Amino acid sequence: EPEVTQTPSHQVTQMGQEVILRCVPISNHLYFYWYRQILGQKVEFLVSFYNNEISEKSEIFDDQFSVERPDGSNFTLKIRSTKLEDSAMYFCASSDRTGRYNYGYTFGSGTRLTVV
Amino acid sequence: KQEVTQIPAALSVPEGENLVLNCSFTDSAIYNLQWFRQDPGKGLTSLLLIQSSQREQTSGRLNASLDKSSGRSTLYIAASQPGDSATYLCAVNQAGTALIFGKGTTLSVSS
Repeated sequence: EPEVTQTPSHQVTQMGQEVILRCVPISNHLYFYWYRQILGQKVEFLVSFYNNEISEKSEIFDDQFSVERPDGSNFTLKIRSTKLEDSAMYFCASSDRTGRYNYGYTFGSGTRLTVV
Repeated sequence: KQEVTQIPAALSVPEGENLVLNCSFTDSAIYNLQWFRQDPGKGLTSLLLIQSSQREQTSGRLNASLDKSSGRSTLYIAASQPGDSATYLCAVNQAGTALIFGKGTTLSVSS
């Protein structure tokens, strides 16, 4: 079964450093997403991406965050200057359609980001 | 603003019991609802997706129902096993938003 692959599985970084989280969505999917889950809290939406641009973003996704699809397969989330409160599990997801025609999202196994 | 609530927050049952997990949402204008399983420190595994026009979906020992008008969904697990121990998340998909998740029900099945 097709998978969404995320790397690394765990990253520790110092406060103020830049991090890039990487994802390889399912190859025929067109819609890509980042979510995060702070320990003990709900999974929260960050951003969605379609046709090489952001289609939607939450209030969490401020100027410190950016996304990119640098080639035909990778989808990245960059945090420019990490804060302690950025520590969370970050999930990448993809889908082949959106809205009422969406038949489900496939999530990756996540990257646990720890900011020290 | 859509809110998704899952009750109970935690549930412990002995092996073999049938159980029901509940999910409610405040805005009934959804496209679909998806149930996920999350093992500790791991990713989200999709279990079942119910379109807004459907009433239920089944996969093995799992059955999910949807009552869109009342804003409720249930996940029924038959003959529970220790391997079913995990957190079960409910999420809704609606116009103009990405998936909105509940906080989950953490299930523990003892042998």
